[in-house]
Amino acid sequence: DQQVKQNSPSLSVQEGRISILNCDYTNSMFDYFLWYKKYPAEGPTFLISISSIKDKNEDGRFTVFLNKSAKHLSLHIVPSQPGDSAVYFCAASSGSYKLIFGSGTRLLVRP
Amino acid sequence: NAGVMQNPRHLVRRRGQEARLRCSPMKGHSHVYWYRQLPEEGLKFMVYLQKENIIDESGMPKERFSAEFPKEGPSILRIQQVVRGDSAAYFCASARTSASTDTQYFGPGTRLTVL
Repeated sequence: DQQVKQNSPSLSVQEGRISILNCDYTNSMFDYFLWYKKYPAEGPTFLISISSIKDKNEDGRFTVFLNKSAKHLSLHIVPSQPGDSAVYFCAASSGSYKLIFGSGTRLLVRP
Repeated sequence: NAGVMQNPRHLVRRRGQEARLRCSPMKGHSHVYWYRQLPEEGLKFMVYLQKENIIDESGMPKERFSAEFPKEGPSILRIQQVVRGDSAAYFCASARTSASTDTQYFGPGTRLTVL
């Protein structure tokens, strides 16, 4: 039973363009959402988060949008850079430390 | 400002052997979480520990797996009598508190291969 789904296993984007990574969830009790980035042979690195009381959070080139009615969130990276090439994991929690991760989306930013 | 440390980075074991994975949390962090990542999947929560206490082991298999976080030294994830299905990347994360909004910082992981 996958509570957090990332339906696109991979995404390829031209440098300078926008990358949009999507995530869907099924548990309406989730109240906190995070994005982690992971390079090969490294651990996940925290990128950005959003509380369920907001619908948008921005940090530099990264913006996360939350649509609670659709149980959907997305991560926008603009402009995309080759160094952004990595696997991006969406994660959610329901008022607890236990993070539920999606299966990840591999982003390739082409120079 | 050392981050979360894990060792070994790679571990090869034959079926039936024991695997010991170590995790040293970030300085000032007393909350440790272990996650497992199977190939092509996301990370799955296994266990949450504070110093000398297991708080939540709901994600850890009941048999062959155990975890500890002693007063002194790193947290240890122990897998006895390993089987091929235990092959995975095991990540440790640490945080200052257990609040959901307190960022969990991950170590580089231990990649366990069972032959």
